[in-house]
Amino acid sequence: GAGVSQSPSNKVTEKGKDVELRCDPISGHTALYWYRQSLGQGLEFLIYFQGNSAPDKSGLPSDRFSAERTGGSVSTLTIQRTQQEDSAVYLCASSGGKQETQYFGPGTRLLVL
Amino acid sequence: AQTVTQSQPEMSVQEAETVTLSCTYDTSENNYYLFWYKQPPSRQMILVIRQEAYKQQNATENRFSVNFQKAAKSFSLKISDSQLGDTAMYFCASLGNNNDMRFGAGTRLTVKP
Repeated sequence: GAGVSQSPSNKVTEKGKDVELRCDPISGHTALYWYRQSLGQGLEFLIYFQGNSAPDKSGLPSDRFSAERTGGSVSTLTIQRTQQEDSAVYLCASSGGKQETQYFGPGTRLLVL
Repeated sequence: AQTVTQSQPEMSVQEAETVTLSCTYDTSENNYYLFWYKQPPSRQMILVIRQEAYKQQNATENRFSVNFQKAAKSFSLKISDSQLGDTAMYFCASLGNNNDMRFGAGTRLTVKP
């Protein structure tokens, strides 16, 4: 079946603009995760959705970052008033449930000029 | 909180040889899972192998195997018969009860012809 998909693949924006990144998880997966990967670094957890429960937002770096998951499927990560330090690859993953293996999408590379 | 440490930023191996990537972790939980992911230049994170902490037997997937030392909190990855396609960043990760996955900083592996 289809894997996790993300769009756009690449996004270039100007400092101060808002951006939206989209993630389509694997069909039937109840858990969805967003991570940030800065150049040459490991992955930094941002936010986690599990079913209809309130999301775990503990990894969001500032209030400029928010995420939604509509209908328990597609998720959108929004970054408002982007800053140059937001430049990174944003990775989405989904899993079948708690402590199940996470499967990753190809990521969105964000560049803030 | 969980932490994962990969002490080898870069490694290289000759094609067909064996290489071992190191990983140590720290957790206070009893029920956790450990993973190795591979990230080639395409940036797609690919699951290599998964280990349940409650299992004593080391996980194996074809040419990939782990040496899981629970008391020492060590989780190394052995790649046998290295192939050019194994060239990638390798990330060790720990997944705890709260479903938060923590990643190490990664090891860049180069397989030389």
